[in-house]
Amino acid sequence: EIVLTQSPGTLSLSPGERATLSCRASQSVSSSYLAWYQQKPGQAPRLLIYGASSRATGIPDRFSGSGSGTDFTLTISRLEPEDFAVYYCQQYGSSPVYTFGQGTKLEIK
Amino acid sequence: QMQLVQSGPEVKKPGTSVKVSCKASGFTFTSSAMQWVRQARGQRLEWIGWIVVGSGNTNYAQKFQERVTITRDMSTSTAYMELSSLRSEDTAVYYCAAVISGYFTADYWGQGTLVTVSS
Repeated sequence: EIVLTQSPGTLSLSPGERATLSCRASQSVSSSYLAWYQQKPGQAPRLLIYGASSRATGIPDRFSGSGSGTDFTLTISRLEPEDFAVYYCQQYGSSPVYTFGQGTKLEIK
Repeated sequence: QMQLVQSGPEVKKPGTSVKVSCKASGFTFTSSAMQWVRQARGQRLEWIGWIVVGSGNTNYAQKFQERVTITRDMSTSTAYMELSSLRSEDTAVYYCAAVISGYFTADYWGQGTLVTVSS
């Protein structure tokens, strides 16, 4: 079973700063099937990044994804107030078909 | 526009079952798959299972294997998730999410259904 471990658990930053979130897999994951989601309180998650590095429709270009194999990164270049939320990575593969990381909470410092 | 509308909140007693529906519109339901994900209050997202709508093939997380059944009705573009033998730990918001792209991502999400299990 593939386990996704996200770090840090909580990241405290100020608007305008750069955020770097990590997602590490216990086994190699196909880059095509690594995604990132954003979830704000009381809302359903929203797809941000698919295929490890492609932005979903309507996602601002301050969001970028990178990585391969077992190490993936979500970067937000300049934080806007609306970016403070919880971020999850998810992989699609073999059993279990899907796995989520435990999430990184991005909070205002 | 693409939309997933889930059924309303449920309150259930321990040991009973709940069936949550998810009605799709704005995309070709038969060409999609549907994930089901849950989230207890303040906790992480937890993947329950999915169904490939066209074939009806399903796959469940091992944790839920014995208690969950995911089905679909193509005539009404609706997916269903039934969870049996409910216990208090099953209290959570349950989401459906449509898989449309070839990248197997949860492209669109329902609004969530709160299921409360309480005696």
